[in-house]
Amino acid sequence: SQQGEEDPQALSIQEGENATMNCSYKTSINNLQWYRQNSGRGLVHLILIRSNEREKHSGRLRVTLDTSKKSSSLLITASRAADTASYFCATRNAGNNRKLIWGLGTSLAVNP
Amino acid sequence: DGGITQSPKYLFRKEGQNVTLSCEQNLNHDAMYWYRQDPGQGLRLIYYSQIVNDFQKGDIAEGYSVSREKKESFPLTVTSAQKNPTAFYLCASSIDGTLSTEAFFGQGTRLTVV
Repeated sequence: SQQGEEDPQALSIQEGENATMNCSYKTSINNLQWYRQNSGRGLVHLILIRSNEREKHSGRLRVTLDTSKKSSSLLITASRAADTASYFCATRNAGNNRKLIWGLGTSLAVNP
Repeated sequence: DGGITQSPKYLFRKEGQNVTLSCEQNLNHDAMYWYRQDPGQGLRLIYYSQIVNDFQKGDIAEGYSVSREKKESFPLTVTSAQKNPTAFYLCASSIDGTLSTEAFFGQGTRLTVV
């Protein structure tokens, strides 16, 4: 069953603008991970944020986690055409269930 | 280079045939996973293996089979029992089965039934 739900489903912005994608989940988590997928390719890991963390940065990426609201956001600053891809969140639930639960993804188009 | 390799990139299958998708990793990871991705959907877990000679069914295992005879290899067989096999298949690995660190993905195999 899907737990992570990203919104928006699709986002179109101009180069240089910031892009924000959100992910909501239903149960307690151990960590939440963001991945990127270029069309027809495999997924590439972006950032992992643990349940006791509230914010992480990596280059132009900023991820926040609000466990009280069971939500996370991914911010890409100063977007580039090369950022065009689908972005997925995945949650590792707390407890012994050793699987990643995936959302449906946000399709981001950055127009030059 | 260390990484995870899937082959072939494209695969065509006639109805009623079994086909095997290859997944090899040289990352020395204990855990390996097979996912299926359909248009507009997220990843769905088919099978996973946390250690050599052991594997478990995921959420959509019917019509699929796997083996884990070597640490670096986790082939997936799509059997004729899988009624709708056309999809994009992704293999992944992680250091261990706890998923406390990231997963690494191959480039995928696109399977089409003709």
